[in-house]
Amino acid sequence: DTAVSQTPKYLVTQMGNDKSIKCEQNLGHDTMYWYKQDSKKFLKIMFSYNNKELIINETVPNRFSPKSPDKAHLNLHINSLELGDSAVYFCASSQRPSEGETQYFGPGTRLLVL
Amino acid sequence: AQSVTQLGSHVSVSEGALVLLRCNYASSVPPYLFWYVQYPNQGLQLLLKYTSAATRVKGINGFEAEFKKSETSFHLTKPSAHMSDAAEYFCAVSDPPGFQKLVFGTGTRLLVSP
Repeated sequence: DTAVSQTPKYLVTQMGNDKSIKCEQNLGHDTMYWYKQDSKKFLKIMFSYNNKELIINETVPNRFSPKSPDKAHLNLHINSLELGDSAVYFCASSQRPSEGETQYFGPGTRLLVL
Repeated sequence: AQSVTQLGSHVSVSEGALVLLRCNYASSVPPYLFWYVQYPNQGLQLLLKYTSAATRVKGINGFEAEFKKSETSFHLTKPSAHMSDAAEYFCAVSDPPGFQKLVFGTGTRLLVSP
């Protein structure tokens, strides 16, 4: 059973399009995250949700809009895609991050904007 | 804000040799520290973590790390490298308040030669 799953795995699209990435976790965790990994492998947090509430929004352009329909899902919608949005997007989840509990990562979605 | 510095973007070892990957942190409070491994085209997998219990922690695949407050370090070691250890390794620190997000280092690529 996959603990944190993401769809799609690969996404190739044109500039200006709107796309969504879906994330689901079956670990029963309360907290979910989106991270972006750029072409130099640098990882940076974008958003964090706890029980469907936005906790962290790390100066991400408002073209990016996360949505959490329930605590097991955290989707990422991106409007008006730009070349610089090409990256790998990772979803993660954790139960009690304030106690140092592990963040579990999904396999990533590789987005290429042409 | 918390930060981690990984010295050496690439480390090359021979199979059977000692692996040493360096991580130094900057933190205003006692940190939670993590090492993750990323194999090509995959997500991140936790190797081990420090959460203020024992200063020497053991992880998966024979890896260990030691938290040294005096040196603000959390270096990752493995006594004998295996070809399958070739991957990208990331050190990360939890960022207060709430430790809701991980702040990652820039990663170290481990190359293992026969």
